[in-house]
Formats: sequence, C-alpha cells, structure tokens
Amino acid sequence: QQPVQSPQAVILREGEDAVINCSSSKALYSVHWYRQKHGEAPVFLMILLKGGEQKGHEKISASFNEKKQQSSLYLTASQLSYSGTYFCGLRRGGGADGLTFGKGTHLIIQP
Amino acid sequence: DADVTQTPRNRITKTGKRIMLECSQTKGHDRMYWYRQDPGLGLRLIYYSFDVKDINKGEISDGYSVSRQAQAKFSLSLESAIPNQTALYFCATSDGDRGYEQYFGPGTRLTVT
Repeated sequence: QQPVQSPQAVILREGEDAVINCSSSKALYSVHWYRQKHGEAPVFLMILLKGGEQKGHEKISASFNEKKQQSSLYLTASQLSYSGTYFCGLRRGGGADGLTFGKGTHLIIQP
Repeated sequence: DADVTQTPRNRITKTGKRIMLECSQTKGHDRMYWYRQDPGLGLRLIYYSFDVKDINKGEISDGYSVSRQAQAKFSLSLESAIPNQTALYFCATSDGDRGYEQYFGPGTRLTVT
C-alpha cells in the first residue's frame, strides 16, 4: 500500500519551518525522502533505516518511528530553493527492492 | 555527462504500437528500476533488477516488459501501447552495497494517442 503523506501542500515564507509526515500501514525496513522540482527528476535527500541509522542531506533532518511506522521530514529556516514536491518512499525489505512512494507534498516557499 | 540517461526524452505514439524506452548508466550500479509518474499519484514501481540475471515485477507490471541487456542497460517495453500508459517514466539506479540511495534519470514523457 502507498504511504500517506501530510500535508498535501504547504505555503511558507522564506525562513519559516515545515514538517512533512509520512505514515504506513505495513512494517518498514527503511524510509527514503526525495525532492522533485517541476520538470526534473526526483533527487535523494535522506534515508532512515531501522535501528536509527540516517544518511543524507546536511541541512535537512528527519525522524523514523519504527513502532508507529511513521517518518517526518523537518525543513528549518526554509530557503527559496526548498520549493518542490517532497516524496517519501518505503522499502519493505525481505528481499524485495524498489520503493513505494507516497503521493507527494507540494512545498512553496515565498520571498 | 549525466550518470543516468534515458532515450527518448519525449515520445508520442499511437494505440497498439510497440515502444521501447531505454536507460543507460555509468555509475557502475548493480540495481536498476523503472517507475512511472502520473499527476497526483506519485511514482509507482514497474520493474526492478538486481543484476543482469535477476528481474522482478513491481506494483504495476501488467502491460510492460523489461530487458537487462547488460549491467549498464535496462529497457522498458510496452508491447501494445494504450492511452492510460501516457505518463512520465523514470529509470533509476542504486548500489546495493551502499544503502540503496536511488539516482534517477531525466525521465521520458510518453503520450499514447
């Protein structure tokens, strides 16, 4: 099943903070976050693995609650370049590969 | 040069035609993927491949087939295109030993009329 992202869209002023949430009804091996700008390919931001390991972007943080099967992406002091659509992708493990993505959260940063 | 390339970048075809989308990578990654993106639906996995001899179906493989001709090449075919296969198609790669970060190609916009 596709993970559920919230909110669907958010508009911020430059310098404000944002939180994007991702939840799943199934057990997860890892959560991946990507950002896609209009007309471009998705770009990797962060991976959160079971057990607490994280790999990713220096200026973006995220959390992964394994028990609740939820992840949140924290964008602090947002910049104009943060605008785009954010996707969480879930990897189920167990030998399967590829990601199951949410429908995305549209983030607009205004000056 | 781009690490992951896709050809063609845009294609318009007619219902019933066979079409192939190609993906090449210079990253040396073993894993390759095909996704389709539809407005408001996010990206959905069509097929993935661990290596040349290992190909697996994803969420929405019906109507599609793939071929892994070499470690660096992964092609997606629509045997008989239909209008609801109109979408943006992305190829991606990852290095299985390094945490599964996926690198996406620029995408192929396919329109089936």
